[in-house]
This record gives sequence, C-alpha cells and structure tokens, in this order.
Amino acid sequence: GENVEQHPSTLSVQEGDSAVIKCTYSDSASNYFPWYKQELGKRPQLIIDIRSNVGEKKDQRIAVTLNKTAKHFSLHITETQPEDSAVYFCAAASGNTPLVFGKGTRLSVIA
Amino acid sequence: NAGVTQTPKFQVLKTGQSMTLQCAQDMNHNSMYWYRQDPGMGLRLIYYSASEGTTDKGEVPNGYNVSRLNKREFSLRLESAAPSQTSVYFCASSANWNTEAFFGQGTRLTVV
Repeated sequence: GENVEQHPSTLSVQEGDSAVIKCTYSDSASNYFPWYKQELGKRPQLIIDIRSNVGEKKDQRIAVTLNKTAKHFSLHITETQPEDSAVYFCAAASGNTPLVFGKGTRLSVIA
Repeated sequence: NAGVTQTPKFQVLKTGQSMTLQCAQDMNHNSMYWYRQDPGMGLRLIYYSASEGTTDKGEVPNGYNVSRLNKREFSLRLESAAPSQTSVYFCASSANWNTEAFFGQGTRLTVV
C-alpha cells in the first residue's frame, strides 16, 4: 500500500520568513496530493491540493510543487504569520485507494 | 449544511467496555473514513468505505468494526476497549478517493 513520509516533524521560523515542508510517497499510481492544516483542538482542513498532471499550484502565500519522477511534493509558505502556526499534514491518494497521511509537521511562527 | 457530524465529542471508557462512534455526512459523498490521531503518529486509517454496503480495512483495523448503514452514516465500534485505543478519532468523507476529504470535529476517547 501507499506510504507517505513527511519532513521535518517540527519547524520554527521567524515571522516573515518562508517555511518548506517536504513529503515523499511510494505508490506511483497516486494522483492526488492534498495538504491539510490542523489548529490546536480543531479538525484538519484542506488548504491546497495538487493533481499529478500539474507541477505547481499557488494560492496567495501558499504553493505546492510536485515531482512525479522523484515521487515527492512540497508545501511552501511565504511571508509567514503567527496564524500560520499549526500542524500540517500531507497526503496521497489514487482513484482506487483512500487518502494516506504523513505524520505531520508542527510549524511555529515566532513573532 | 452541517458537513460531517460525529458523536460524541468526548468519552471515557473502562477497559473491556464497548461503544459505538457515530458519523453522518450530508454532502452526498460516496467515500467515508475513520482515522485515529495519536501524538507523533499523524492520521492513521482504521477502516474506510467506498460506498454503501462496502467496507475495507485500513492500516490499523484491529480491535474495531464498522458499519456503513446507508450513504450518510458510517459508524465505528469498539467491542472491548483497551487503553491502547485511547486516541482522538476523526470521521471523514469525500466524493471519491481522490477528492477533498471533509473531517468531523473529532472524538476524544480515553480508556482507563
């Protein structure tokens, strides 16, 4: 089955700096790669996703890149703000298999 | 439009007791899931359902059973709770496997 590895497990950045979180996946059939943000005590919520026919996608300060050959994808957050502090999860799925999540990255943005 | 609703929010069980976690979605989604979340372990898939009447085991199914009662509802049952099942449980649903999953608010379960 699919296996998703996520790094780093914790990340601290100064406010205004960029943050990058990286994930690798094992199943070459995976074609959907979402990123979820989970604030303390809340449910995970989708912030951005990318499909296998696209190399990069941006939404304001957030971007995701995908390298299908290397089987890795990354989340980039620019101009970080204190409200970006949360746990971020990457995940992968195909048309035949459900979402498998990485172990999460705890991002702390220091004001 | 409530999205995904799960009950209860909190529960304390004694070892050996049984309980059922309820989940319902009102988005007409085909796929439903149960995940457990433990510190440092991310979201691990317990069971999932592609459609009404079908269920499959995920990564950590031991000690659990599920029922996809109809398209809206997907319940998770612990027959004989163990301390290792202390966790936060999330139900989720999506239109298909490779579309956005929407999560319920979670159930914090403690087994003593």
